[in-house]
Amino acid sequence: AQKVTQAQTEISVVEKEDVTLDCVYETRDTTYYLFWYKQPPSGELVFLIRRNSFDEQNEISGRYSWNFQKSTSSFNFTITASQVVDSAVYFCALSETGGNNNDMRFGAGTRLTVKP
Amino acid sequence: EAQVTQNPRYLITVTGKKLTVTCSQNMNHEYMSWYRQDPGLGLRQIYYSMNVEVTDKGDVPEGYKVSRKEKRNFPLILESPSPNQTSLYFCASSGGFTLGITEAFFGQGTRLTVV
Repeated sequence: AQKVTQAQTEISVVEKEDVTLDCVYETRDTTYYLFWYKQPPSGELVFLIRRNSFDEQNEISGRYSWNFQKSTSSFNFTITASQVVDSAVYFCALSETGGNNNDMRFGAGTRLTVKP
Repeated sequence: EAQVTQNPRYLITVTGKKLTVTCSQNMNHEYMSWYRQDPGLGLRQIYYSMNVEVTDKGDVPEGYKVSRKEKRNFPLILESPSPNQTSLYFCASSGGFTLGITEAFFGQGTRLTVV
């Protein structure tokens, strides 16, 4: 069963617009970790944020912010005043502490295109 | 510098010709894992290893082999590659027994094309 859902396959915005990338997850664990990674056209995975399930505080890092809501099992990512360099595929991921398969589960990714 | 190194970065090969993608980490991590990335599917785990000589299947292990003879190395072996194994491959490592419990490190990726 899909454990991480990124419903937006592709998003296109014009530079300086704000954009929110959605991530919904499912888990039975009480302790888990959520991540966002950026994959620019060059292909590598760039770590953006890691958040544990006990810390629901929203986080802001420059133009990036994350909204973690356990009540809706969501961990959304907002880019404020988007720039062309933000164009990339963004992955949300979940790491659980229980179970037999110690895996990081990724969503399908959202391709963000920021046009000048 | 802490890193996970994959080689090669790009590879084009023919169906049936055995190949190995190497992965090495310099952080003394117990946990290592291989993923493949395909459009619309995100990253899916192929195999993982929780320590030397301990490996197990992930979600998509068919057509792949791995070994963990040393802590730092975790090669991915395709004994008889087929075109459906054309993909972008990532190796990852972590200090905990689950990827992500402690910081997860990813290699630069290997883009494999099987013709």
